[in-house]
This record gives sequence, C-alpha cells and structure tokens, in this order.
Amino acid sequence: SQQGEEDPQALSIQEGENATMNCSYKTSINNLQWYRQNSGRGLVHLILIRSNEREKHSGRLRVTLDTSKKSSSLLITASRAADTASYFCATGSNAGNMLTFGGGTRLMVKP
Amino acid sequence: DTAVSQTPKYLVTQMGNDKSIKCEQNLGHDTMYWYKQDSKKFLKIMFSYNNKELIINETVPNRFSPKSPDKAHLNLHINSLELGDSAVYFCASSQGDGNQPQHFGDGTRLSIL
Repeated sequence: SQQGEEDPQALSIQEGENATMNCSYKTSINNLQWYRQNSGRGLVHLILIRSNEREKHSGRLRVTLDTSKKSSSLLITASRAADTASYFCATGSNAGNMLTFGGGTRLMVKP
Repeated sequence: DTAVSQTPKYLVTQMGNDKSIKCEQNLGHDTMYWYKQDSKKFLKIMFSYNNKELIINETVPNRFSPKSPDKAHLNLHINSLELGDSAVYFCASSQGDGNQPQHFGDGTRLSIL
C-alpha cells in the first residue's frame, strides 16, 4: 500500500477561498514534501518540512506536520485559478534513499 | 533553460517493440530517478542512480534497463513492450540522497497499441 495517502482525492473551490489538503502516512519519516503537478507537466517541488518541524510557510502555502498522528496538511490561502493542479505529498525515509508519493489531490479553482 | 529534459514527449508504438527514453539534467545533480505514473496518477519509483551507480531497483520487470553514461544522463530502455507498460514516465534529479527536493522532467507519455 502507499506510504502517503491524500485526502480528499478531489476538491473544487471558488477563487479566493482557501484549500486544505491532507496527507497520512504509515511509517517513520525523515521529512515530508509537497509537490504540484499541472496537467501534462512534471511535478514541481513546493515545500519540505522535516520530522522535527511542526509548521512551515512559503508565500500563500502553509504546511503542518503532526508526527504523532502521522499526518500533514497543505493549506493554500486566497486560491487563484492558476492553483488548479494535482498536489502530491511525498515522504522521505530515514534510510534516505527515496521518496514515496501518495496518490494526489486534484484541486480545481473556479474563477 | 529546461533543467530536466526528456525525449521524446510522446511515444506510440506496437506491442513487442523495443524503445528508449532519454533524460538529461543540467542542474549538476548527482542523483537521478525514473518514475512511472499510471492512469490514476499514482507515481511509483522504478530506479535511482547516484553518480552513475544503481541505488534503487524497485520491483520492475527486467525488460526495463536503465543506463547512466554520466551523472547528467539517465536513459531508460524497454524491451518487448506490453500493453501494461502504457503510462507516463518521469525522469527526476536531486542533489544528494533521496530525501532532497527532486526536479522533474515533463514526462514521456508511452502508448502501446
């Protein structure tokens, strides 16, 4: 089974609203990363949060990590139509040799 | 300039054929990866190379053979293509180990007829 699983699988909101996506994982991690994938394109790294961090910000993005619950959330504030994409979480293991990706959340932001 | 470039972008071919996908990165990274993304968008790692040496070889049929002529290139050769090989294949690179942020190419969409 997947290490990271996103919830919801799909999310549709209006421009200006906030979007929250969640990621749960099963084993101990070194870090957790969020990526964005626009249609027909490769994944783009958004933010990395280490296992000893609880919250991180980057522009309109806010990521939280709760290692006791093995979960993370990505909040996009004041969403724009250009934020329409799939968002993936990926966990890095303590072995440090690979990332394991979840199945993604498809976000649609309507203008 | 494109950081991670893959060619071709689209590949349509018959079952049983052999094909190659090329990947080059100009970021100076020492680790490169191949991923397979299926129709449900699930992304699974196939191979990882660090400084031209194979680090990860997940459960992938031996019809798939990666080759890294130098640390800026990681090519993927596929023999005897099967219908189930239809997917989007992504190349990626990172500096250091697999915990670092990865830079992805735009993918190669492989369709088997």
